[in-house]
Amino acid sequence: ETGVTQTPRHLVMGMTNKKSLKCEQHLGHNAMYWYKQSAKKPLELMFVYNFKEQTENNSVPSRFSPECPNSSHLFLHLHTLQPEDSALYLCASSQGDSKTGELFFGEGSRLTVL
Amino acid sequence: AQTVTQSQPEMSVQEAETVTLSCTYDTSESDYYLFWYKQPPSRQMILVIRQEAYKQQNATENRFSVNFQKAAKSFSLKISDSQLGDAAMYFCAYAYAGKSTFGDGTTLTVKP
Repeated sequence: ETGVTQTPRHLVMGMTNKKSLKCEQHLGHNAMYWYKQSAKKPLELMFVYNFKEQTENNSVPSRFSPECPNSSHLFLHLHTLQPEDSALYLCASSQGDSKTGELFFGEGSRLTVL
Repeated sequence: AQTVTQSQPEMSVQEAETVTLSCTYDTSESDYYLFWYKQPPSRQMILVIRQEAYKQQNATENRFSVNFQKAAKSFSLKISDSQLGDAAMYFCAYAYAGKSTFGDGTTLTVKP
């Protein structure tokens, strides 16, 4: 079992659907992240949670809504997405009080918006 | 703001040969961390090697080593004795105070 698990691995949704991505980490970390990885574009940091509190929101549209009920779980709720939101969404965790900032990634959720 | 630049979108290497991936970064900080991450096709991104800026000695991990030039703000990754399993996208990353900035990535192809 990997340290960071993401479900579903693949998701296809219409623009009017509501869906959620789930991330779970088994590493005892207290910081969790959502990144967006699109083809031909750099990795984009979306949200950061430290000890369940959101500490960063990188001007992400409101159609993406994160939720962090505890330090081990992170969700990304999706609503009325656009085709340009199709991408690989990566969850990561780290030891939040660590200076190194080393990230541990999940395998990603491949999202296709029709 | 910190930036990380990987000037080689794609690289290729013959199996068993050596390849070097380039990375430069910009920062005004003195105590930070640098990383190379590997993302194989359809698999999760994993850490390859880490360098602490206050350490002058270059980090090594088996066939992977870095050339860290702090003054030049350069952090290249050398892969020796390349193997087919090394084929992946490689990301250079800078981290300070727990916050990471990534380069655009270099896709490495290994030819048998």
